[in-house]
Amino acid sequence: EPEVTQTPSHQVTQMGQEVILRCVPISNHLYFYWYRQILGQKVEFLVSFYNNEISEKSEIFDDQFSVERPDGSNFTLKIRSTKLEDSAMYFCASSELTLTGELFFGEGSRLTVL
Amino acid sequence: EDQVTQSPEALRLQEGESSSLNCSYTVSGLRGLFWYRQDPGKGPEFLFTLYSAGEEKEKERLKATLTKKESFLHITAPKPEDSATYLCAVQIYNQGGKLIFGQGTELSVKP
Repeated sequence: EPEVTQTPSHQVTQMGQEVILRCVPISNHLYFYWYRQILGQKVEFLVSFYNNEISEKSEIFDDQFSVERPDGSNFTLKIRSTKLEDSAMYFCASSELTLTGELFFGEGSRLTVL
Repeated sequence: EDQVTQSPEALRLQEGESSSLNCSYTVSGLRGLFWYRQDPGKGPEFLFTLYSAGEEKEKERLKATLTKKESFLHITAPKPEDSATYLCAVQIYNQGGKLIFGQGTELSVKP
């Protein structure tokens, strides 16, 4: 069964360092998303991406964050200068259709900022 | 402010003991409501889509229903493998495809 894969599964970094989280969406999907979940809190939308552009972003997704689809398979989330409050589980998701709530999520990348 | 609230926060059931989880929402214009299951350390897994009041969807021991203000996830004769956190999410018109999630209900089913 096709699945969304994310790497790394866990990354520990020092405050102020740059982090890149990687995702391989399902191959025939065209819409890509990043969500995050701070421990014990709700899953929160960060950004959606289609046709090499950001479709929508939340207030959380400020200038410290960027997304990219560098090739035909990877989708990345970069955090330029990490803060303690960026510690969370980051989920990549993809979907076949737009405006669908049927998203396929990866297993997540846990980011710990020290 | 658009809000999704789930109750209870945690639910413990004996195997075979049916129950319901609640998701109430206050949003500006509901486009759709979605249920997901999340196992510990994993990403959410899609279960159901509901678009209009009165709609029902079923899958194995789960049935989701929707009214104008809330949704219920009914679990009939649950098994230990149904233990997970169940998440409700809404999508709102004119806000693109983003999902707004509730905090989830952690279900534990004991044999």
